[in-house]
Amino acid sequence: GAVVSQHPSRVICKSGTSVKIECRSLDFQATTMFWYRQFPKQSLMLMATSNEGSKATYEQGVEKDKFLINHASLTLSTLTVTSAHPEDSSFYICSAPQGGSGNTIYFGEGSWLTVV
Amino acid sequence: LAKTTQPISMDSYEGQEVNITCSHNNIATNDYITWYQQFPSQGPRFIIQGYKTKVTNEVASLFIPADRKSSTLSLPRVSLSDTAVYYCLVVPHNAGNNRKLIWGLGTSLAVNP
Repeated sequence: GAVVSQHPSRVICKSGTSVKIECRSLDFQATTMFWYRQFPKQSLMLMATSNEGSKATYEQGVEKDKFLINHASLTLSTLTVTSAHPEDSSFYICSAPQGGSGNTIYFGEGSWLTVV
Repeated sequence: LAKTTQPISMDSYEGQEVNITCSHNNIATNDYITWYQQFPSQGPRFIIQGYKTKVTNEVASLFIPADRKSSTLSLPRVSLSDTAVYYCLVVPHNAGNNRKLIWGLGTSLAVNP
């Protein structure tokens, strides 16, 4: 199946710093990618929809200035957590729908962010 | 977007067949039913997808009745490594690339030795 890759898989940063997480579709092009966060033993919560060549669409309650999303190419979207705080510590996951008429959505491996 | 309902947890033993049923009463004509598996600290992994009747692949089978208001994921002869959370989702077909999924809590399957 299609492959979506995230990097880094784990990152620890200090409060107040920024962290960038990359999401790549390795064998298909994705004009849209989705960013989720997941707290332990909870379900995935959609944060934003990343659109190639245009602004991301954020879900209600998600601060766009804090969670910067850039979809610079058809295979890469990045999520930057700015001025990170301990409460931003979470598991961040990206996904991308297979292109064309396919409707299978593939997920990255996830990125654990710990803010200390 | 159609919501789904599935059991919170299930227990099984190695070698048994496990069936997880999901309800999706307001599924639309263009919706597909998709199941994902998630291990701790990993992203969800696509298992199987179907529209109606039965779909089978190398890891699972998916049974969908004629009214499509429910579906059953069948895992044959589970092993300890099948212990995971299983999510049932309804995905609009041909909705362009802008497809948002509604995630429930999934079914936490525990396979015991």
